Amino acid sequence: NAGVTQTPKFRVLKTGQSMTLLCAQDMNHEYMYWYRQDPGMGLRLIHYSVGEGTTAKGEVPDGYNVSRLKKQNFLLGLESAAPSQTSVYFCASSPHSGNTIYFGEGSWLTVV
Amino acid sequence: EDKVVQSPLSLVVHEGDTVTLNCSYEVTNFRSLLWYKQEKKAPTFLFMLTSSGIEKKSGRLSSILDKKELFSILNITATQTGDSAVYLCAVDRSSNTGKLIFGQGTTLQVKP
Repeated sequence: NAGVTQTPKFRVLKTGQSMTLLCAQDMNHEYMYWYRQDPGMGLRLIHYSVGEGTTAKGEVPDGYNVSRLKKQNFLLGLESAAPSQTSVYFCASSPHSGNTIYFGEGSWLTVV
Repeated sequence: EDKVVQSPLSLVVHEGDTVTLNCSYEVTNFRSLLWYKQEKKAPTFLFMLTSSGIEKKSGRLSSILDKKELFSILNITATQTGDSAVYLCAVDRSSNTGKLIFGQGTTLQVKP
C-alpha cells in the first residue's frame, strides 16, 4: 500500500537554486495539501488543491508555487530557494472535507 | 484569527505513568478536532472528535472534546517507551477545503 509518496526524501540546495517536490497518491483522493514543519511552529499549510486543475494559497505561500495537472500528483516548486525555506515538507491527501488527512513520509530540505 | 494551542510543549515521564495532553482552540465554524501521533516521519491519525463529552478510546489512549470550553484532552495510561513521539492536535472547520489548523505539538518522552 503506497498511500502518499514524496520525492525526494532529502535534498540540499544552494541559495537561489530551484527545485520541485513531487507528491503522488494512489487513493483517488480529491484533496491534496503541502505543509511545512518547523521546530516550535507545528505544521503550516503552504498550498492546497481541492481537485485536479485547482490550487489555492494556504497560510505561508510566499516563495512557493504548486501545480495539480493530474489528480494523483501535486507538485511543490521553489523557484529561488532561500535559507528560510529550510524545513521538513509534508504532502497530505484527503478524500473530501470533513475527513482525516493522510500524510506522506516527509521531505527534508536544507538551503545553504 | 483562528488558532490552536497545545500544552505542555514538552513532557518527560517514566514508563507506567499516566499523561494528559491538552489542546485548546479558537476557530470559526468548528467541525472537528483531530489528534495525530508523529514519530520520526509522517503523522499518523489517532482520533477525530466532533461531539462534546463522548470519549474516544483506543487501547491505552483516549480523548474527549469539550465544545463549550473549546478544548480537548488526550490521555495515555500506563505509558511505554513506544509512546515517545510528538502529539499533534488539529482543527477542521466547516468549509469545502479540508484544511486543518495545527497546534505546535507536544513532545512526549517516556523513559524506561
